Amino acid sequence: DQQVKQNSPSLSVQEGRISILNCDYTNSMFDYFLWYKKYPAEGPTFLISISSIKDKNEDGRFTVFLNKSAKHLSLHIVPSQPGDSAVYFCAAEGGTSYGKLTFGQGTILTVHP
Amino acid sequence: GAGVSQSPRYKVAKRGQDVALRCDPISGHVSLFWYQQALGQGPEFLTYFQNEAQLDKSGLPSDRFFAERPEGSVSTLKIQRTQQEDSAVYLCASSLEYRTGNTIYFGEGSWLTVV
Repeated sequence: DQQVKQNSPSLSVQEGRISILNCDYTNSMFDYFLWYKKYPAEGPTFLISISSIKDKNEDGRFTVFLNKSAKHLSLHIVPSQPGDSAVYFCAAEGGTSYGKLTFGQGTILTVHP
Repeated sequence: GAGVSQSPRYKVAKRGQDVALRCDPISGHVSLFWYQQALGQGPEFLTYFQNEAQLDKSGLPSDRFFAERPEGSVSTLKIQRTQQEDSAVYLCASSLEYRTGNTIYFGEGSWLTVV
């Protein structure tokens, strides 16, 4: 069963606008969430994370929001830049999966100039 | 080195052949993970080491898969009698400590194609 889901396989955004990537999870034991960015032929690169005791974490142009009651998190990129074009993976850990990550399927973000 | 290093980057194996994939984690990192990423999917956990101890191998798909980290640094993932469904990117990752919330850093992956 897919414990972490990214229901949008792709997203296309104009440069300068906001990109919103969504992620849903089912396991209520997850208590730490991460976003990774991946370029072709490279490994995932850590982007930003959030603990379940928070509902928002911000780092420059990137903000992650967590809604625990809805088991939903989102990554906001403002303003979007062409260099942000990549695959974005949501990942979760916690409970019995302490120390290991459960990933979503990824969302391909394309930012058009 | 500065990051997680994996070799070979690309490997083509004939079905039935054994392969070995190597991972050099970031110096000083206690935790080491192996993940498998099939085309169009997110990475899936295979196994985890804390220093030289393999604490979790629940994700290994069959007994043809074997991982070791004998001295607590370099790790090798071995796949015996490879099959076509083993074709994937194998990602190694490391983190400084073993605790929730510690950033996990990934290598570039070893791309395995079984023909």
